[in-house]
Amino acid sequence: GEDVEQSLFLSVREGDSSVINCTYTDSSSTYLYWYKQEPGAGLQLLTYIFSNMDMKQDQRLTVLLNKKDKHLSLRIADTQTGDSAIYFCAESFGNYGQNFVFGPGTRLSVLP
Amino acid sequence: GAVVSQHPSRVICKSGTSVKIECRSLDFQATTMFWYRQFPKQSLMLMATSNEGSKATYEQGVEKDKFLINHASLTLSTLTVTSAHPEDSSFYICSARASGGPGLEQYFGPGTRLTVT
Repeated sequence: GEDVEQSLFLSVREGDSSVINCTYTDSSSTYLYWYKQEPGAGLQLLTYIFSNMDMKQDQRLTVLLNKKDKHLSLRIADTQTGDSAIYFCAESFGNYGQNFVFGPGTRLSVLP
Repeated sequence: GAVVSQHPSRVICKSGTSVKIECRSLDFQATTMFWYRQFPKQSLMLMATSNEGSKATYEQGVEKDKFLINHASLTLSTLTVTSAHPEDSSFYICSARASGGPGLEQYFGPGTRLTVT
């Protein structure tokens, strides 16, 4: 079945860049997403990329998609302590993108 | 952006009782809503997909008689946990997919923390 994998933990120093990686198995993915979850809270959509794009940039966030390798990454420039959270990679697929699969989440810790 | 609310945000109930959780899309119409369950330090697990005006589609292993879903309108879906037990304690998150529009994004609610004593 469909599977999305992420490393579970990442620690960076404040001001450095963070790169969170994700791999997925379903080549028919329609959209790929990055969500942020702060402790005790729901999910916040950070950004998404359509499967025929290679890159998307939004302020401090850069998403890179390598469709051949089924690899997605999220780069956060100038990481701040407020960026500490769990980041979930997700893919949607199906004719209308109606099916949704989440990765296990990467816990980002930002050290002062 | 699109906003999805959930009510209540936290609920504590006694074992054997039923609990209803509401999910509302506040500023858009959602033909499809999703219900997820999240255990501590784990990812979201899709429980069911709810389409307005039709029966929900449940994922394998999810008891439809225990987790009753009603999607009565384009802005409201409810999840009722019937005869709740302590193992049902979890964080329940709903999401809504906007009908129409250029994107197929899902918008997530803030979640409801259910504790069954």
